[in-house]
Amino acid sequence: KQEVTQIPAALSVPEGENLVLNCSFTDSAIYNLQWFRQDPGKGLTSLLLIQSSQREQTSGRLNASLDKSSGRSTLYIAASQPGDSATYLCALSSGTYKYIFGTGTRLKVLA
Amino acid sequence: DAGVTQSPTHLIKTRGQQVTLRCSPKSGHDTVSWYQQALGQGPQFIFQYYEEEERQRGNFPDRFSGHQFPNYSSELNVNALLLGDSALYLCASSLTGREQYFGPGTRLTVT
Repeated sequence: KQEVTQIPAALSVPEGENLVLNCSFTDSAIYNLQWFRQDPGKGLTSLLLIQSSQREQTSGRLNASLDKSSGRSTLYIAASQPGDSATYLCALSSGTYKYIFGTGTRLKVLA
Repeated sequence: DAGVTQSPTHLIKTRGQQVTLRCSPKSGHDTVSWYQQALGQGPQFIFQYYEEEERQRGNFPDRFSGHQFPNYSSELNVNALLLGDSALYLCASSLTGREQYFGPGTRLTVT
């Protein structure tokens, strides 16, 4: 049974810092992995999608990597800003159907 | 492009009642998935609809049922509501096997 874990559960950093959020999974047979951002009480905003055959994806200040052999993905945020404060969720699918989510990392960037 | 839309935004129901939530997928998408997100948790997969059929189901009781219409929009029905059904219900649409896009969610409160 696939399990997804995100560490740390919460993170508080000063503005301008570079930071790394971690996502680990127990079964390497994945189809794709997607990182989302969620603001309090809101829906999910897709940040980056990594297909199984890819190692990383980049969008602006965000970079996500995928290492299936070690069961890990990381989301790197460069030069963090107060507007980056949110909960970050990773989710993966082992086929074309359901996503399995981690419990998220709550990020607070202090001005 | 309107993206994924959900209605209503908020809903308050009494234990034992029935509720229907609605979702319109992103233009061009043919697959709709429903998730339940309890406070402080990651979303949990309820089921997915494709070509008006339930394609996969998560670990939810039969009180949860759904429907997909020919225009790809979808409904989630929950019967005999329990206090534990209080959550944010998220709808996601995709083109089969590709990136999922989430709606803003419906906040259901059961009293």
